[in-house]
Amino acid sequence: DVKVTQSSRYLVKRTGEKVFLECVQDMDHENMFWYRQDPGLGLRLIYFSYDVKMKEKGDIPEGYSVSREKKERFSLILESASTNQTSMYLCASSKRTGGFISNQPQHFGDGTRLSIL
Amino acid sequence: AQKITQTQPGMFVQEKEAVTLDCTYDTSDPSYGLFWYKQPSSGEMIFLIYQGSYDQQNATEGRYSLNFQKARKSANLVISASQLGDSAMYFCAMREGQDSGYALNFGKGTSLLVTP
Repeated sequence: DVKVTQSSRYLVKRTGEKVFLECVQDMDHENMFWYRQDPGLGLRLIYFSYDVKMKEKGDIPEGYSVSREKKERFSLILESASTNQTSMYLCASSKRTGGFISNQPQHFGDGTRLSIL
Repeated sequence: AQKITQTQPGMFVQEKEAVTLDCTYDTSDPSYGLFWYKQPSSGEMIFLIYQGSYDQQNATEGRYSLNFQKARKSANLVISASQLGDSAMYFCAMREGQDSGYALNFGKGTSLLVTP
């Protein structure tokens, strides 16, 4: 089974801190994603990456950056945490396919509940 | 504009009954895939079922089936013989285009409560 591991289930940080959320997958997947989930809003894409050192902005990238130095690891960085970044953060990965409609699902980690005080 | 619409914020169903969770989508891309995920209170997202835009048959996976009506742009999830463990949030999602590298667009979810 695919395993996507997020470094923390719960995290509390202070306003202005630089925050790192780490995600590791063990299935050699090319694609990795960071979402945030807020009640009533569903999941919204922050950033994604389809290869090492590659990154693409999602729908809500402001205030975030990412790093993908190794294939298995995708880090989300809050440059200067603010209270409106209090949320549930979900990391996902998927295998690359192409040439036909891909039925590959995204596999998710257990999520990190981040509180910014 | 919202690409995935789930109009039911919350649903109740009695154990052993069937339930349908609604999902409509909006895309002009002829190639797309539709996914349903389950999120229990513990927080993990569990993949349930997939339907491709060119699939001729409705997808089925155990007690889950997808009622795919392409002309109406709907992809409703049907859970047969509900169990207490089915209580969770359910999300419909769409990936446009062919490549798995494209991200999923999620709906806002439907909370399902199964009662004894």
